[in-house]
Amino acid sequence: DAGVIQSPRHEVTEMGQEVTLRCKPISGHNSLFWYRQTMMRGLELLIYFNNNVPIDDSGMPEDRFSAKMPNASFSTLKIQPSEPRDSAVYFCASNSLRNTIYFGEGSWLTVV
Amino acid sequence: GENVEQHPSTLSVQEGDSAVIKCTYSDSASNYFPWYKQELGKRPQLIIDIRSNVGEKKDQRIAVTLNKTAKHFSLHITETQPEDSAVYFCAAKGSGAGSYQLTFGKGTKLSVIP
Repeated sequence: DAGVIQSPRHEVTEMGQEVTLRCKPISGHNSLFWYRQTMMRGLELLIYFNNNVPIDDSGMPEDRFSAKMPNASFSTLKIQPSEPRDSAVYFCASNSLRNTIYFGEGSWLTVV
Repeated sequence: GENVEQHPSTLSVQEGDSAVIKCTYSDSASNYFPWYKQELGKRPQLIIDIRSNVGEKKDQRIAVTLNKTAKHFSLHITETQPEDSAVYFCAAKGSGAGSYQLTFGKGTKLSVIP
């Protein structure tokens, strides 16, 4: 298996622009997670899905952030409009029935 | 919800020495405790995990211990090598409606000095 696949790996965008991050979980995994990592706040869970349904989005910082999972093999995290404080590494992860969470390579976002 | 505390935040050891990282959790019903290693610029990767029905688990130079009564678990790395230098995260899986997710500690930056 190729593991959790994220795109883009790196993105630099101007403040106010829309950012869309994409994720393909490991085939057969029924839960998908979006995390944000910064030096100041560490690893923060933004939202997670189980069987394509959002279960907990309490970590989504504000209405500018939205996430969807239209099917079992694809999810997006969208920021609109983006702000410099959104600069971070965004990790997508998925997990198996035995609870092990596997992370993607991350999307390194810089908003200038 | 679950709360995980991790100590220390930074740790420096001489090559060959042992390193110990400790975590505490709040939800007594938590039943799964993984440890992740994150090298600079890379993703967190699982290195070892333990379930609540086991008190200790070992994999070569790495071991994890769990004390359910005290609600803490520890990572032990023996004969440390420079390639062990990384940030290590502990995590706990809580119970109830949010049981799909892991709660992570803040991480420990381990530096192994050659």
